[in-house]
Amino acid sequence: DTGVSQDPRHKITKRGQNVTFRCDPISEHNRLYWYRQTLGQGPEFLTYFQNEAQLEKSRLLSDRFSAERPKGSFSTLEIQRTEQGDSAMYLCASSLRQTWATNEKLFFGSGTQLSVL
Amino acid sequence: AQSVSQHNHHVILSEAASLELGCNYSYGGTVNLFWYVQYPGQHLQLLLKYFSGDPLVKGIKGFEAEFIKSKFSFNLRKPSVQWSDTAEYFCAVAYSGGYQKVTFGTGTKLQVIP
Repeated sequence: DTGVSQDPRHKITKRGQNVTFRCDPISEHNRLYWYRQTLGQGPEFLTYFQNEAQLEKSRLLSDRFSAERPKGSFSTLEIQRTEQGDSAMYLCASSLRQTWATNEKLFFGSGTQLSVL
Repeated sequence: AQSVSQHNHHVILSEAASLELGCNYSYGGTVNLFWYVQYPGQHLQLLLKYFSGDPLVKGIKGFEAEFIKSKFSFNLRKPSVQWSDTAEYFCAVAYSGGYQKVTFGTGTKLQVIP
């Protein structure tokens, strides 16, 4: 077990509904990342936080997507007005920023599988 | 924009066969390179990484990868695969300096037949 927890593991929703996913990183990790993975593809970067600051967002992250990490610990990813194209596995990862980048290691959670009907 | 190409989508090998999975990246600057593995039903795990120094990188479980800058390649190798190596393997690249915006390839599914 990597220590990164994601909830829920599976989410089925109807088109147009809002959904929210939660990620609990490894407790001392100050960096947190969200990725999306669709069938047959590798994970695609969505956004990342260092502590509570959201430092980078992919252009894949449309206005319907919002991510927060209010206290620099857990993070939430909300999708508003879901579309069928949002169906994917949403992965969270965390790391501890190191002085020497070679020592930094990314730990992934098991993901939340979203199905939009 | 950086991109990663993995040439083989599905590889089937018999146990004890040698493995080489291809990976090419597009970014011309200084990069950090990774191979991740996802065993069936499990999360992504780091297999090995290259940041600088010796271009031949050794990872866990007998895997190694060679960074060839002139070819923009970072191929994964293992001399003798085992059934337990059955998994999906992802090559990934990031700008030098950290993990921000790591770009993953589409993955190669490896099936090892006993």
